[in-house]
Amino acid sequence: DARVTQTPRHKVTEMGQEVTMRCQPILGHNTVFWYRQTMMQGLELLAYFRNRAPLDDSGMPKDRFSAEMPDATLATLKIQPSEPRDSAVYFCASGSRAVGAFFGQGTRLTVV
Amino acid sequence: GDSVTQMEGPVTLSEEAFLTINCTYTATGYPSLFWYVQYPGEGLQLLLKATKADDKGSNKGFEATYRKETTSFHLEKGSVQVSDSAVYFCALSDQDSASKIIFGSGTRLSIRP
Repeated sequence: DARVTQTPRHKVTEMGQEVTMRCQPILGHNTVFWYRQTMMQGLELLAYFRNRAPLDDSGMPKDRFSAEMPDATLATLKIQPSEPRDSAVYFCASGSRAVGAFFGQGTRLTVV
Repeated sequence: GDSVTQMEGPVTLSEEAFLTINCTYTATGYPSLFWYVQYPGEGLQLLLKATKADDKGSNKGFEATYRKETTSFHLEKGSVQVSDSAVYFCALSDQDSASKIIFGSGTRLSIRP
């Protein structure tokens, strides 16, 4: 059963540290999304890629966040330096307009 | 820009009650429409979808019909169960946005035994 895999599932880090979240999309899906979910803001689109090319990262704070797809099997989201307000659940999803988005289990990030 | 508006929750119903969660959208093209469900501590799961006007998506007893004239995609279920308690998200993907998927704010559903 194909699924999106995210690592780590949980991360606790100190303010100022670098955080890297990884995602393995479903093979054959040409679009990869990064979303952030908080109680206050709900589900926010941070960035998305199509055929590994970044299409829109306007939802990301550019000074500290970066998203890349070094190859078709790996997407990364980095935060450097991390801040307490970055605490959230970060979801990766893959899919297309026709099939929709398939979500991973998420990375729960806590910055103390 | 494109957007999705869904009814605010929480919605609380008794088991076996009829469910409707309203969803309307704004889009420039001909979007695909989706309903997702999120159970506590989990990611979003695709519940059903419709890709063109008058299509009906269905899954696990849930249904939604793509109504272009009213720009709506309301979620319905004839008889809810306690296990349906979750947060439900309406979403769209517009062909003009290169597959970008936009979500509504979510509706929390609680079912009483």
